[in-house]
Amino acid sequence: ETGVTQTPRHLVMGMTNKKSLKCEQHLGHNAMYWYKQSAKKPLELMFVYNFKEQTENNSVPSRFSPECPNSSHLFLHLHTLQPEDSALYLCASSHGTSGSGELFFGEGSRLTVL
Amino acid sequence: SQQGEEDPQALSIQEGENATMNCSYKTSINNLQWYRQNSGRGLVHLILIRSNEREKHSGRLRVTLDTSKKSSSLLITASRAADTASYFCATPRVANQAGTALIFGKGTTLSVSS
Repeated sequence: ETGVTQTPRHLVMGMTNKKSLKCEQHLGHNAMYWYKQSAKKPLELMFVYNFKEQTENNSVPSRFSPECPNSSHLFLHLHTLQPEDSALYLCASSHGTSGSGELFFGEGSRLTVL
Repeated sequence: SQQGEEDPQALSIQEGENATMNCSYKTSINNLQWYRQNSGRGLVHLILIRSNEREKHSGRLRVTLDTSKKSSSLLITASRAADTASYFCATPRVANQAGTALIFGKGTTLSVSS
């Protein structure tokens, strides 16, 4: 148990579906992150939020839409995805403005786009 | 953009042997971190070494950092089958910026057989 919970753990969706991934952290952290992990590729940073404000968007296609209603919750809304978007999506949190910058990861949401 | 590059990409050893993984990075850093990932799971922080440190120990782990060569190594001593996992080095996307994301390398896949 890392203190970061991701749901669902597995998701299968068609290219025309709309779904959302949810991340919740119970660590009192101020920064939250979305990463994408595809086979044989490095983890790709997608989005960073500090104190609910988006501070980094790593040129992510608009079919991925993040939402951070408060410092404890982070969503990734998905719509009209492509098969190449199939990957493990990892959420992480950190202290943000204090602390060493260590990231605490959830177990990931395995997404398959048909 | 990719910052860390691990070497080797894959490593197979017997239980009891030592495993050494190397990481090279490109830009100035204030710290370097190592993470572990079991297959299909989230990443777990192992150890952080600051730019003014040359060596750090944690249990069976030993990390070194050579800022002049922009490289780090992770040594796992007396390996066990449970050490089988992928290992990643990570550096802050922006040095000395609180709340910045980490950039990860492609990782070294370690297989320890009994």
